[in-house]
This record gives sequence, structure tokens and C-alpha cells, in this order.
Amino acid sequence: AQTVTQSQPEMSVQEAETVTLSCTYDTSESDYYLFWYKQPPSRQMILVIRQEAYKQQNATENRFSVNFQKAAKSFSLKISDSQLGDAAMYFCASGGTSYGKLTFGQGTILTVHP
Amino acid sequence: DAGVTQSPTHLIKTRGQQVTLRCSPKSGHDTVSWYQQALGQGPQFIFQYYEEEERQRGNFPDRFSGHQFPNYSSELNVNALLLGDSALYLCASTRLAGPRYNEQFFGPGTRLTVL
Repeated sequence: AQTVTQSQPEMSVQEAETVTLSCTYDTSESDYYLFWYKQPPSRQMILVIRQEAYKQQNATENRFSVNFQKAAKSFSLKISDSQLGDAAMYFCASGGTSYGKLTFGQGTILTVHP
Repeated sequence: DAGVTQSPTHLIKTRGQQVTLRCSPKSGHDTVSWYQQALGQGPQFIFQYYEEEERQRGNFPDRFSGHQFPNYSSELNVNALLLGDSALYLCASTRLAGPRYNEQFFGPGTRLTVL
């Protein structure tokens, strides 16, 4: 079984500053993937970043990076140089390698102030 | 390159009725998963289809059923609708082979309201 917990229901950041969203997970899978998805008010779920659990190096995608702590089962998302378009609900998710099922956290609403 | 498409966008039904939602996967994808997202919550996995077979199922009753067609498109059927079935239904597609094989791409969703 997999569980994903996001302990921050809401976060806010000033434009151009940095914010970190937290996520912890638990899984019985020996190999798995972790994801951050963004869901703006338009509802379309968009993949932000992906981390393979077997890789020690933290994934980065432009302004987005993760801090993956496997032993602590922690997977936080850092957004640098925040932009107004980053405002959305962010979901942390985990998935095994055998099937495509994703387990999502409850989400964190990110507000970006100009 | 067309992404994942879903129809209809919105749907209003009454309790006890039946509904069918449709999904076309992203080009090149062969696997479709369905999720239910209640307002303000994270998506919950319903089931996944590959090669026209249900591969995995979440904790949903048998009122929820699905189908995958030879062209990889999929339907989600919900019978005997309950008020609690009101939610955003998301379809996601992926390809179970090749690089980034389990990266799921989501459609815009179908908003179902049960009155």
C-alpha cells in the first residue's frame, strides 16, 4: 500500500522569491517513482517534475527542483523565482514500477503575490 | 500532437441514473487510468486498462466499470448514481514501455454533478 501526505494545505510566496512544498510518503514497493503535479483552476493536471527512487541525484526542471530524502521518505518541491503563473494546487504523488497507478496527496494550494 | 481528451466536459445527472464518460489517450499511449477527484481533494485511482483488460483496480464498488477499445480509447461507466459520485473524473494515459514509461498525462476531466 502507498500513502502520500502533504502537511501544508496552503502556502504563499512573493513573486520572484523561493518557496518549498513538503511531501512525505510511505510505500511497500521496492522500486517506485515520485511526482509533483500542478493543477491550475482550469483543472488540467500538469506534470511538474519526476524522480526515480533508485536515483540519488535530485531531479531539476528549470525553476523547479526536488529534495529527495529516501531514508526519511521525504520529497519536497522547491520553486525558485516564483511567477504569477505558478499559482495552482500542487499534488505530490507516488507510483510503482509495475503498474501506472498513482497515489496522490491532499494537495497544497500555492498563492503567488505580485 | 493531441494530448488526452475527455468528453463531455460537464454532465448533470440525477440519483439512480447511469453515466458514461469517454477518454482518448495521448498519441502513442496504450494504457488508460481513471481517477475520481472530489472537490478540494487529491485524485483517487479507480482502475487502469491495458490491452482491453482491467489491470488494476482501486477501492471502488462494482457500480464503476470500464472498457478499453482496440484504438486504446476508454469509457468509464457508473451505474445507480449516488450524490457522493459528484466529482471531477480524470483520465490519464501512459505507455508501459520505453523511456519515461509510467509518466502519466492527464486530460482536462469531466465534471459530474449528481442531483
